[in-house]
This record gives sequence, structure tokens and C-alpha cells, in this order.
Amino acid sequence: AQSVTQLGSHVSVSEGALVLLRCNYSSSVPPYLFWYVQYPNQGLQLLLKYTSAATLVKGINGFEAEFKKSETSFHLTKPSAHMSDAAEYFCAVADSGGGADGLTFGKGTHLIIQP
Amino acid sequence: TAGITQAPTSQILAAGRSMTLRCTQDMRHNAMYWYRQDLGLGLRLIHYSNTAGTTGKGEVPDGYSVSRANTDDFPLTLASAVPSQTSVYFCASSEQISGANVLTFGAGSRLTVL
Repeated sequence: AQSVTQLGSHVSVSEGALVLLRCNYSSSVPPYLFWYVQYPNQGLQLLLKYTSAATLVKGINGFEAEFKKSETSFHLTKPSAHMSDAAEYFCAVADSGGGADGLTFGKGTHLIIQP
Repeated sequence: TAGITQAPTSQILAAGRSMTLRCTQDMRHNAMYWYRQDLGLGLRLIHYSNTAGTTGKGEVPDGYSVSRANTDDFPLTLASAVPSQTSVYFCASSEQISGANVLTFGAGSRLTVL
């Protein structure tokens, strides 16, 4: 069974600083990987996904993530944080079926942006 | 496009009572899901349905039931609510993009069981 570990339940960065949210996965097969964002009192929105087409994946709002098989990681980055990036971020994994039976989510990382 | 509509938005329920959370999608997606979100635990899959007429159990199915009579609707029923079912419930549907099932989520239903 696949699993996801997000390091750090809370991450605080200054506005304009680099954002780095960590995600490590466990899967017995080549995975599909996702990052979702949740703003307060809203559902989750897809930021980006990895489907083996390219290891560096660009998403919305200036975010990107790099798939590193040797490290079983899929960390999310953004060069310059904006106040509007404050939200909860979830990493998720699907197996070779692509997630037809559902995605497995990490516990989430709350991103705090300091002015 | 409405996407996923969930109702009610929030509800307070007495323990032992039954409750059905409604979920409707207008995207004609075959697959649908119910997750619960709890602080510090992330999202956990309750039940899913790959297509109308079929359902499957997720990670935390006990105390919940679902049905999928048609493509658009996927209600979640709590037959006899308990306080541990206090949570925010999210319905989602998915479409396949490059082999991956990309989920679209509703806005959630906040349930408090007293």
C-alpha cells in the first residue's frame, strides 16, 4: 500500500522568501503524485501533478515540484512567497491504477507567511 | 459550472440519529469519493465508487454507507451517529488525465455529533 509523509505540520516563511514543503512517498509501483491546496473553509484545489512525463512539474500560482525517485520525494517549492499563499497544503499519492480507488493523502502542512 | 455541490454546509446532530450528506456533480465523472478531514490526520477515504452501481470501502468505512444509483449523485449515510464522526466531510469526483485520476472537491460539509 502507498503512503505519504509530509515533514512539518507548520512551515513559516517571510513574504518574498523561498517556500519549500516536503513530501516523501512510499509506493511499490511507480506512483502518480499530487499537491493540493486548501484555503480556509474551502475544498481542496489541484496545484500540480506528476504522471511520469517530466520530473519537474510546474503548477498554478508559481508553484513547482520535482520528482526524485532515488529520494522517494516530491517536494513543493515557490521562489517567492506571497501573503495569498497562506493555506494548508496536501501531498497525495496514487498507485499504478492512477487513483481510481482514491488518493492517499498526507496529513498536511500549514503554510504561514510572515509580513 | 457548479462542479461538486454538497449539502448541508453544516449540521449539528444528536448522537444516535441518522444523517445523509448529499453530493451531486455536474461533470459526468464516473468516479466519486467521500473523505473525512480531521485536524492532524489529513484526509481519509471513507468510500468510493468507480461507476454508477458500484461502491468500495476506503480506509475508514465503519459507521458509514453509500449508494450510487446514477452518475451524478453519491450520498453518504450515517445510520446512527457517534461523536467520533464529528468531522468535515468532502465529496470529490475524478477524471483521468494522463493516466492519473485528478480529483475535484466540493466545499465540504461540517458535521458535529453531540
